[in-house]
Amino acid sequence: NAGVTQTPKFQVLKTGQSMTLQCAQDMNHEYMSWYRQDPGMGLRLIHYSVGAGITDQGEVPNGYNVSRSTTEDFPLRLLSAAPSQTSVYFCASRRSNNQPQHFGDGTRLSIL
Amino acid sequence: DQQVKQNSPSLSVQEGRISILNCDYTNSMFDYFLWYKKYPAEGPTFLISISSIKDKNEDGRFTVFLNKSAKHLSLHIVPSQPGDSAVYFCAAHDRGSTLGRLYFGRGTQLTVWP
Repeated sequence: NAGVTQTPKFQVLKTGQSMTLQCAQDMNHEYMSWYRQDPGMGLRLIHYSVGAGITDQGEVPNGYNVSRSTTEDFPLRLLSAAPSQTSVYFCASRRSNNQPQHFGDGTRLSIL
Repeated sequence: DQQVKQNSPSLSVQEGRISILNCDYTNSMFDYFLWYKKYPAEGPTFLISISSIKDKNEDGRFTVFLNKSAKHLSLHIVPSQPGDSAVYFCAAHDRGSTLGRLYFGRGTQLTVWP
């Protein structure tokens, strides 16, 4: 049982480059979310989804896009990377509103 | 505007003693509360939860207490072990909300020393 899988684990980008952080879950969970973790800031919600085709913004959505075409996958896109987006990114999923979230191991992203 | 607050960024406890981690919230609609534990270079893992219809939930060495009138919850770890050293996040949400957004505190770094 793989759970929540994030790729890549590490990435270095130059300012202005684009990239997609991948997230896949094999638990048939409807709810998926992206967070970023910065020192002293805890986990801040970027975007989330309550099912295929349904997404919404969290508290720090600027500079990020998401889509949810399947239940399994929830990619996070950076269209034009900025140094302020240097962070550790976590994807999470849960079956329903009454269940705890399962997190992936994170993607450590550095923007130069 | 933080709806879930962990005011102690760090806590240091001797092995065998009790660790008490605190969390406050502002939204009276929150009815489900969770604690997550995070080791370096790993994702957070679920530890224990409590529904607002209860004031205590216990799982082995871990107990969560909820004081709804004070909008406060705490996590007790007894006895503390060096392997408990990690960052602990408190989280809360309103299960009646269709969006199901989870709100996290900023975390408390627990260090258990021998």
